[in-house]
Amino acid sequence: QKEVEQNSGPLSVPEGAIASLNCTYSDRGSQSFFWYRQYSGKSPELIMSIYSNGDKEDGRFTAQLNKASQYVSLLIRDSQPSDSATYLCAADPPAGGTSYGKLTFGQGTILTVHP
Amino acid sequence: DGGITQSPKYLFRKEGQNVTLSCEQNLNHDAMYWYRQDPGQGLRLIYYSQIVNDFQKGDIAEGYSVSREKKESFPLTVTSAQKNPTAFYLCASSLGLYNEQFFGPGTRLTVL
Repeated sequence: QKEVEQNSGPLSVPEGAIASLNCTYSDRGSQSFFWYRQYSGKSPELIMSIYSNGDKEDGRFTAQLNKASQYVSLLIRDSQPSDSATYLCAADPPAGGTSYGKLTFGQGTILTVHP
Repeated sequence: DGGITQSPKYLFRKEGQNVTLSCEQNLNHDAMYWYRQDPGQGLRLIYYSQIVNDFQKGDIAEGYSVSREKKESFPLTVTSAQKNPTAFYLCASSLGLYNEQFFGPGTRLTVL
C-alpha cells in the first residue's frame, strides 16, 4: 500500500510566525507533489505543485521537495488567521504502475493561526 | 467563468434509494475523478476517467457507478448497495492524469 503521511497536528502558530507542514511518501517513484488547502466544510483548493528537488516559492508559500529523503514540506511565512485550515499533501504514482493516474492523499494537517 | 460545478450541494437519501450526483466542468479537461471524504479523514478515490466512454475503479468503487458519455460530465450514482453512503463527495478534473487536479464545491450526502 503506497502511502502519504502527514504530521496530524493540530499545529498552532501565532500570527506572523512561520508554519511548517511536513509530508513523507513511500513510493520512491513518485514525481509530482501537491499541497491543497481545505477550509472547514469546503472543497480542497490547490495552492502549490512541485516536481523537482529544491524549493518553489509563491508569495508567502514555499514548497520544498527532497526526493532522496522522500519528504515534502510547505512553509507559510507571516501566517495569518485566514491561513487556518486543513492542509492536504498529495503525490502522483509513477507512470506505468498499477496505481496509474491515482493521486494519493495524506490525512491532512490542521493548522490554526491565532491572533 | 471556467470551473467545476457539482449539484446538488446537499442531498438526503432514504435507505434503499439510488441517487445521482452531478459533476460538470468547462475547463476542457480530459480526466475527471470522484472522491469521498469522511469527517476527519483524507480523500478516497471512488472512480476516475481519463477519456470519454472510459473509466476505472478507484479504491472504494463498491456500491457506486459512473458514466462518461460527454467530456464535460461525470455523474456518480450512489446505489443502495453502498452500505454507508453518508459523506462529502468531491468531483475533480485535470488536464490529464498527471496534471494538477482541481475540485468542485462538493455534495454532502446524508442517509436518513
